[in-house]
Amino acid sequence: AQTVTQSQPEMSVQEAETVTLSCTYDTSENNYYLFWYKQPPSRQMILVIRQEAYKQQNATENRFSVNFQKAAKSFSLKISDSQLGDTAMYFCALNTGNQFYFGTGTSLTVIP
Amino acid sequence: DVKVTQSSRYLVKRTGEKVFLECVQDMDHENMFWYRQDPGLGLRLIYFSYDVKMKEKGDIPEGYSVSREKKERFSLILESASTNQTSMYLCASSLYGRDYNEQFFGPGTRLTVL
Repeated sequence: AQTVTQSQPEMSVQEAETVTLSCTYDTSENNYYLFWYKQPPSRQMILVIRQEAYKQQNATENRFSVNFQKAAKSFSLKISDSQLGDTAMYFCALNTGNQFYFGTGTSLTVIP
Repeated sequence: DVKVTQSSRYLVKRTGEKVFLECVQDMDHENMFWYRQDPGLGLRLIYFSYDVKMKEKGDIPEGYSVSREKKERFSLILESASTNQTSMYLCASSLYGRDYNEQFFGPGTRLTVL
């Protein structure tokens, strides 16, 4: 069975600071993908960043980067230079085959 | 732009009513999904479909059914709505295959059952 765990229900960060959101997962599959999705208040869920499990290099998208530790089954998201628009619910997701498995989410608030 | 649209953003229904939630995607995706989102529980999969007229149960299918008569449209049906089905419902679509397949989400339907 596949599981995704986000142990931080809520977090806050000062504008312009850096914050890291944690995610651990479990799967017996060798080929899988990991994603971070962002859901702003009352807005659509959008993809932030993705990581292929077979790639050792950590993915980066502008201010967003991940720390992928395959052996530890850990996939954390680092947001640098936090902006007010980063305030949202963040979901970690595991993709194996055609199915996705989501964590329970972390609500991030960026404080001006 | 990938577009996934849902028929309503907000819906209020009464207990016992039959409720239809519709989802349409315009990217020719094979896979379509219905999730339920509740605070503290994340996204839970209700049903998914790999192809027209095909459906598979997810983690919480009880009280729901689905219909996929056309590739672009996936409907979620609450046969007899109950108050515990008050929730946010999200539709998503993705390509079929073993390679990475990002899910694209609709805006969600917030359903209230009175």
